[in-house]
Amino acid sequence: SQTIHQWPATLVQPVGSPLSLECTVEGTSNPNLYWYRQAAGRGLQLLFYSVGIGQISSEVPQNLSASRPQDRQFILSSKKLLLSDSGFYLCAWSVPLPGTGMNTEAFFGQGTRLTVV
Amino acid sequence: SQQGEEDPQALSIQEGENATMNCSYKTSINNLQWYRQNSGRGLVHLILIRSNEREKHSGRLRVTLDTSKKSSSLLITASRAADTASYFCATDGDSSYKLIFGSGTRLLVRP
Repeated sequence: SQTIHQWPATLVQPVGSPLSLECTVEGTSNPNLYWYRQAAGRGLQLLFYSVGIGQISSEVPQNLSASRPQDRQFILSSKKLLLSDSGFYLCAWSVPLPGTGMNTEAFFGQGTRLTVV
Repeated sequence: SQQGEEDPQALSIQEGENATMNCSYKTSINNLQWYRQNSGRGLVHLILIRSNEREKHSGRLRVTLDTSKKSSSLLITASRAADTASYFCATDGDSSYKLIFGSGTRLLVRP
């Protein structure tokens, strides 16, 4: 069965420190991968998505970056965290319908709550 | 930017009542999905409706889609306290590969 692992669950980092959040998927091949950020009590903001190894699309210009070094691995990074980077980060995957590219249901990790202090 | 906007932002009902949440979106879509999020957790997929479908049912859930009005509704019938959660709609926006979420409706079902 397919599973998604996202860690750590919580993280407290000082301003200016680097960040690396990792997400891995098991049990599927060539998934679409997503990183979202959610502010408290708000909706999900799409940060990055990837349709293949090394293919990253950025939705929101900011001091975050993403990489997909392997088919089922998605990494969110920052060289220097800002206070405004605090939030709940969610990784998700979906498998598009063959021949159409259309999204199907997405599966989410349990999220990482990042507090920048 | 947000593709979908849910309405109302918050909804409080008594157990046993029906809950209706609405979603409006801006661009043409291939499909629209509804998700549920319990506090501090990841999202769970509820139902997907394609752009050529008008209504879909799953258990106590009923989803409608009106592409001419760019809107969808989620009806939860005979609500239970366990239905308390935030509910989000999501669309593929201007790209089949994207999945863009609305701002969500926080539902409270009082026992």
